[in-house]
Amino acid sequence: AQRVTQPEKLLSVFKGAPVELKCNYSYSGSPELFWYVQYSRQRLQLLLRHISRESIKGFTADLNKGETSFHLKKPFAQEEDSAMYYCALSEGTSYGKLTFGQGTILTVHP
Amino acid sequence: DVKVTQSSRYLVKRTGEKVFLECVQDMDHENMFWYRQDPGLGLRLIYFSYDVKMKEKGDIPEGYSVSREKKERFSLILESASTNQTSMYLCASSRGRPSGANVLTFGAGSRLTVL
Repeated sequence: AQRVTQPEKLLSVFKGAPVELKCNYSYSGSPELFWYVQYSRQRLQLLLRHISRESIKGFTADLNKGETSFHLKKPFAQEEDSAMYYCALSEGTSYGKLTFGQGTILTVHP
Repeated sequence: DVKVTQSSRYLVKRTGEKVFLECVQDMDHENMFWYRQDPGLGLRLIYFSYDVKMKEKGDIPEGYSVSREKKERFSLILESASTNQTSMYLCASSRGRPSGANVLTFGAGSRLTVL
């Protein structure tokens, strides 16, 4: 069965510092990977997906099939990046059925 | 602008009560989902539906059932609530395959406390 692991429950950085949220997955096929974000008092929403290969709000994520990782990176963190981040995996043939990681709470200090 | 609406934001129920959580989406999405969100456990899929009157078990269906009589509405039912079902419940929807199925639109959540 597929599994998504986010090893850091909490991550704290200072404004302007680089940030990396780790995500590792286990799946034997070709997965589709996502990052979802939940800001304080807001709904969970899609941040980015690996097939789009785009930068959203300065965040990027590269799928590394060799290391089975999909880490989320931003070179200069901002206070408004403080949120809960979830990595998620789709088997690709499912009806939008995603497996989520445990989540990482990112706090960016001024 | 609200696209996925969960009828109850906060509920407090007693052990053994039957609980209904309602979810309505106005985007004509084929797929609908119920997840529960717990600290340290992330989101876990309870049930999902890819069509009217269709339902599939997710990873933790025990103690829950669902109903989808209309395309826009997906209900989660706790037949006999227990304290370990105290949680935040998130409803989500997405378009049908092949494109867009994995882009989920979430509701605001229903926080259920079972005493």
